[in-house]
Amino acid sequence: DIQMTQSPSSLAASVGDRVTITCRATQSFNNYLHWYQQKPGKAPKLLIYTASNLQTGVPSRFSGSGSGTHFTLTISSLQPEDFATYYCQQSYSAPFTFGPGTTVDIK
Amino acid sequence: EVQLVESGGGLVQPGRSLRLSCVVSGFTFDDYAMHWVRQAPGKGLEWVSSINWSGGGIDYVDSLKGRFTISRDNAKNSLYLQMDSLTAEDTAFYYCAKGYCASSSCRIDYWGQGTLVTVSS
Repeated sequence: DIQMTQSPSSLAASVGDRVTITCRATQSFNNYLHWYQQKPGKAPKLLIYTASNLQTGVPSRFSGSGSGTHFTLTISSLQPEDFATYYCQQSYSAPFTFGPGTTVDIK
Repeated sequence: EVQLVESGGGLVQPGRSLRLSCVVSGFTFDDYAMHWVRQAPGKGLEWVSSINWSGGGIDYVDSLKGRFTISRDNAKNSLYLQMDSLTAEDTAFYYCAKGYCASSSCRIDYWGQGTLVTVSS
């Protein structure tokens, strides 16, 4: 099974900050890596699919990059509504594992 | 508007069974794979199972194989998760989710609001 890790597990940032979250996989795959945002008490929401494609309706301050085993999610200028937990997920092979999540808190 | 509405959660005793349902609307159900994802309170997301459009392709997380069974009824726009021999470790919110595949890359693009399963005596 492919295991996913994320770093950091949490971070504190201010509005306007640039934030980068890293996701690593235990084996290489193409770009079948997706990013989700989850706010407390809510269902997750797809942000980025296939490593770098912005889901419809998602603000352009979100971007994704990477391939192989190393992927990143970047928020170029953090907004108040971006404080949430972010998960990566691989869809290369079942089980389609999620990373443990990165919580972005207000500094 | 895409909607996925889960039901069937609740309090159940250890060792008992429970069947979750998810009724969908706003898209052609039998065109898409579907997933179940769970989240224990205060914990991260865990992918549980997926089923392809016809029901002929099914996958499970290894730890749940043999206890959980995913199925679908395309005529009823419904997805199901049969959960047997439940333990306290199965306590979680269970999300029904819609898959979308393009150019051989599949992702989850819509999620239900979740149904809480609590396993306790």
